[in-house]
Formats: sequence, C-alpha cells, structure tokens
Amino acid sequence: SYELTQPLSVSVALGQTARITCGGNNIGSKNVHWYQQKPGQAPVLVIYRDSNRPSGIPERFSGSNSGNTATLTISRAQAGDEADYYCQVWDSSTYVFGTGTKVTVL
Amino acid sequence: EVQLVESGGGLVKPGGSLRLSCAASGFTFSSYSMNWVRQAPGKGLEWVSSISSSSSYIYYADSVKGRFTISRDNAKNSLYLQMNSLRAEDTAVYYCARDESPGYSYGSPFDYWGQGTLVTVSS
Repeated sequence: SYELTQPLSVSVALGQTARITCGGNNIGSKNVHWYQQKPGQAPVLVIYRDSNRPSGIPERFSGSNSGNTATLTISRAQAGDEADYYCQVWDSSTYVFGTGTKVTVL
Repeated sequence: EVQLVESGGGLVKPGGSLRLSCAASGFTFSSYSMNWVRQAPGKGLEWVSSISSSSSYIYYADSVKGRFTISRDNAKNSLYLQMNSLRAEDTAVYYCARDESPGYSYGSPFDYWGQGTLVTVSS
C-alpha cells in the first residue's frame, strides 16, 4: 500500500518560514491535499491539488509537488499556525493520509 | 452554511456493532460524494470509507473492509456507517467529510468536516 512520510515536528520562529514535507513514491504524479488540525477541532483544508488555496485561507500558505516530495510552506508564521498538518493523496482506490507534522511557532 | 453533524458514537464491547449517522445541511447533499475519516486518540488521520453521490462507487480501507458498510439516504440528507465486529483498534473519533466538488471525481479533497463522534470499543 502507498505510504506518505512526514517529519514528526517542525519548529519555526515567529514571522519566519516553515516548510513541511510529505514524501511518497512518485508523489509528483498525484494530486496532494493538505489539512490543518488544531487540538480538539476537525481538520481544515488549507491546500488542494498541490498548490491551490481554498477561499479564506491566507496567501501565506502555499504548496508545491515534484518528484518524490510535496511541500507545504507557511510564510510569515503566526502563533495561530501552530497545529498538526496532514498531507493526503488518492492511490489505488483509497485515500492515504500522511503521518502528520506538528508545527510549533517559537 | 454547510453543516455536518455526526451522531451514534458511544461505548461498545469488542465484537459489537454500532451505526453512525451524519446529518448534512446547507448544500445539495445528493450531488456530493461523502467520506468517513477516523482518528484514534493521540494519533493521526485515517481514511475509512467513501461513497459517491448516487452510491454507485463505494470504497473502503483494508482495515475495515468486510466489517464496515457505508451508505447514504439522499432523501434524508444523511450519511451512515454501519460498524460490525468492532475491535479495540477501532476506537477513534469518526468524522464525516464532504468532497470538495459535486459529481463524481476520485481523489477530491475534503472541504467540510463535521465535529466528529467518539467510538470507544472496550470490555
């Protein structure tokens, strides 16, 4: 089965840039979606189909996807960006979520 | 306003059954594929099952195949998950989530989520 690997945690200084990777075999050939989840809350879609932002999501959130790695970038990080982030793809008639990354804003 | 409200969670013994429901409002339910996603305590997200708008396409994670059944009633704007032969490892918050675009398109993102319902499997 297809696997998506994310770093367990990423730390970023307030106002700086955080990059969260999502690794998978030839993931560049798939559409990657990203979700943000804060404690006790349901996930929120922040990037879809690699690099598209839903309405209401700040421009500070961006995404890219190539080769074996997809990346979610959070620019000018704010305290409110502290959360768990998950990537997601569709493979062989199943959805697969990444292992999740906890982002801490210092 | 799109709303998804799950219900039916609770405590059940191993081997038991439970039926989850998701009441949808604020959009044309019959036009969208729907999904169930679960999250064990302190763990990550795990996709469980998906169903297309007319129930023509249904998919399951290997971990629940043969034990869980997804269904929907478009007249009642409701999504269901029948869970049988429950195991301790099925303990999780279960979320229903909507596909981002109407019609059938595999691999769509999930743009709206409910708040989840907790299922605990324990003796």
